[in-house]
Amino acid sequence: DQQVKQNSPSLSVQEGRISILNCDYTNSMFDYFLWYKKYPAEGPTFLISISSIKDKNEDGRFTVFLNKSAKHLSLHIVPSQPGDSAVYFCAASSGLAQKLVFGQGTRLTINP
Amino acid sequence: GAGVSQTPSNKVTEKGKYVELRCDPISGHTALYWYRQSLGQGPEFLIYFQGTGAADDSGLPNDRFFAVRPEGSVSTLKIQRTERGDSAVYLCASSSTPPLAGGNEQFFGPGTRLTVL
Repeated sequence: DQQVKQNSPSLSVQEGRISILNCDYTNSMFDYFLWYKKYPAEGPTFLISISSIKDKNEDGRFTVFLNKSAKHLSLHIVPSQPGDSAVYFCAASSGLAQKLVFGQGTRLTINP
Repeated sequence: GAGVSQTPSNKVTEKGKYVELRCDPISGHTALYWYRQSLGQGPEFLIYFQGTGAADDSGLPNDRFFAVRPEGSVSTLKIQRTERGDSAVYLCASSSTPPLAGGNEQFFGPGTRLTVL
């Protein structure tokens, strides 16, 4: 039972354009959502998060949008840079259950 | 460095052997987590410590897996009678957030790649 899903295994975007990564979830008890970025042979690196009481959070080139009615969140990266090429994971947690539930990841490639 | 460290970075063992994987969390972080990541998948939760106690061990796959954190800092994940299916990257993370607060940003170590032959 995959509670967090990233349906696109890969995404290719031209440098300077917008990258949009999508994530869907099924558990309505999730109230905190995070995006992580992972390079090969490294652990995931925290990027940005959003609480369920908000619908948008922005940090520099990264913006996360949350649509609770659709149980959908997205990460926008603009402008995309070659260093953004990595695997991106979305993750969710609920209340006192501190564990994170991760999606399968999306491999983003930024082309020069 | 100030981040989460894990040792060893790679471990190759034979089926049936016992292994220990170590995690040093960020100094002062009270919460510590273990995850397992198989190829092509996202990390999967194993166990969560708040201080010295295991607050949630619901992700441990069976009784061959055990983890300790005796002094509330370093943690060791122990796997008995290893099987080929245990091969994965084992990730440790730590967090400064208390359980009752929001903002569960967890900071990950580089992982230990375990290969069971």
